Amino acid sequence: AQSVAQPEDQVNVAEGNPLTVKCTYSVSGNPYLFWYVQYPNRGLQFLLKYITGDNLVKGSYGFEAEFNKSQTSFHLKKPSALVSDSALYFCAVRDGVDRNTGKLIFGQGTTLQVKP
Amino acid sequence: DAGVIQSPRHEVTEMGQEVTLRCKPISGHDYLFWYRQTMMRGLELLIYFNNNVPIDDSGMPEDRFSAKMPNASFSTLKIQPSEPRDSAVYFCASRGDSGNEKLFFGSGTQLSVL
Repeated sequence: AQSVAQPEDQVNVAEGNPLTVKCTYSVSGNPYLFWYVQYPNRGLQFLLKYITGDNLVKGSYGFEAEFNKSQTSFHLKKPSALVSDSALYFCAVRDGVDRNTGKLIFGQGTTLQVKP
Repeated sequence: DAGVIQSPRHEVTEMGQEVTLRCKPISGHDYLFWYRQTMMRGLELLIYFNNNVPIDDSGMPEDRFSAKMPNASFSTLKIQPSEPRDSAVYFCASRGDSGNEKLFFGSGTQLSVL
C-alpha cells in the first residue's frame, strides 16, 4: 500500500528565513504526491501536487516542493517564511493509479511555527 | 460557490446516542469523501462516494458507522450508538472529475461524545 511519512511533528523557523517541511513516500509504481495546509479550525486546503514532469513543483502562497526519486522524498519549501504561514501541513499520496478511483492517504502532519 | 458545507460545526452528545453529521459538496463535484481527524491517528479516510455510490468503505471503523449519499448534493455520516472514542473532527471533502485532483474540504464537525 502507498504511504507517506512526515518525520517532524513540528518545525520552527524565524520569519524571513527559508523553511522546509519534510515528507518521504513509499509507493509501488509512479508516485502521485500532494501537499495540503490546515489553518486552525479550518478544513485542509490544497497547496500543490506532483504527478509527472518537473521535479520542482510550484504551488499556492509561494510554496514549492521538490520531488526526489532517489531519496523518495517530496519536501515542501518556501524561500522566505511569513508568520501567517504558521499552520499544520500534510503530505499525501494517491493510493491507486487511476485518479478516478484513487483515494488520498495523508501523513501525520507537521506543525509549522514561524516566529517574528 | 460557498464551498463544502458541513453541519453542525460542533456536536456534544452522550455515549449511546445517535449522531448524524451532514455534508453538502460543491455543486458539480462527483466525488465525496469523509475523513476523521484525531491527535492519535491523524487524518483517516472513512469512506468515499463517486456519483452517489459508495466506492470504498474500508476505513469505516465498525458497524456503528454508516454513510449515505441519497443525491448529488447531500451526504450523511451516522454513528449509532456513539462512544467516547468516536470523539474527533470529521471532515467532508469533494472534488470534480477533472485532472487536477484537488480536494475541497469543509470546515469540519467537532464531535465530543461524553
